Amino acid sequence: DIQMTQSPSSLSASVGDRVTITCRASQNIGTYLNWYQQKPGKGPKLLIYVASSLQSGVPSTFSGSGSGTDFTLTISSLQPEDSATYYCQQSHTTPPTFGGGTTVEIK
Amino acid sequence: EVQLVQSGAVVKKPGDSLKISCQTSGYNFADFWIAWVRQMPGKGLEWMGIIYPGDSDTRYSPSFQGQVTISADNSLKTAYLQWSSLKASDTALYYCARRVRYSSGWDWMDPWGQGTQVTVSS
Repeated sequence: DIQMTQSPSSLSASVGDRVTITCRASQNIGTYLNWYQQKPGKGPKLLIYVASSLQSGVPSTFSGSGSGTDFTLTISSLQPEDSATYYCQQSHTTPPTFGGGTTVEIK
Repeated sequence: EVQLVQSGAVVKKPGDSLKISCQTSGYNFADFWIAWVRQMPGKGLEWMGIIYPGDSDTRYSPSFQGQVTISADNSLKTAYLQWSSLKASDTALYYCARRVRYSSGWDWMDPWGQGTQVTVSS
């Protein structure tokens, strides 16, 4: 299986800060990379697909980049409602696998 | 609006059987794969398997092959995940999600159900 490694595992930032989460794949996955947001008690929500495409309805403060093995999710201006856990997921090879998650806390 | 609504939380004993459901609406059920994903307490997401309701083609992660059965009922627009003999280690939150796929091969899961909590305890 392809291993997905996210860092950091958690972070604390202030409203308005720029936040960056990284995701590394154990092998080249091209742009077969998606990002999800999960809030407590809820199912995950798609944010970014194919590494950099913003899902409809997702604020433009979210962006994704990268290809190959290294990817980034950026929140350009952190808002209180962005407090959540974020997961990357590769869809290059079955079974799809997820990163371990990054929990974002608002200071 | 595309929606996936899952059955409610259950508490079972080891050795019990169980079938949980994922009822869909807002799209043609037969045309999209449905995936099941496990989240153990305090842990991340694990892809269990997937079914294409159009022809019942089913694929499992090697980690879950033989441990669970995925099925679908087109008339009810509902997908199912079932166990024949539960173990305490099956205690987890289980999510269903619709797989969206481009012809070029890219795919992602959207939307997701709200999750079903399964607790297995003697």
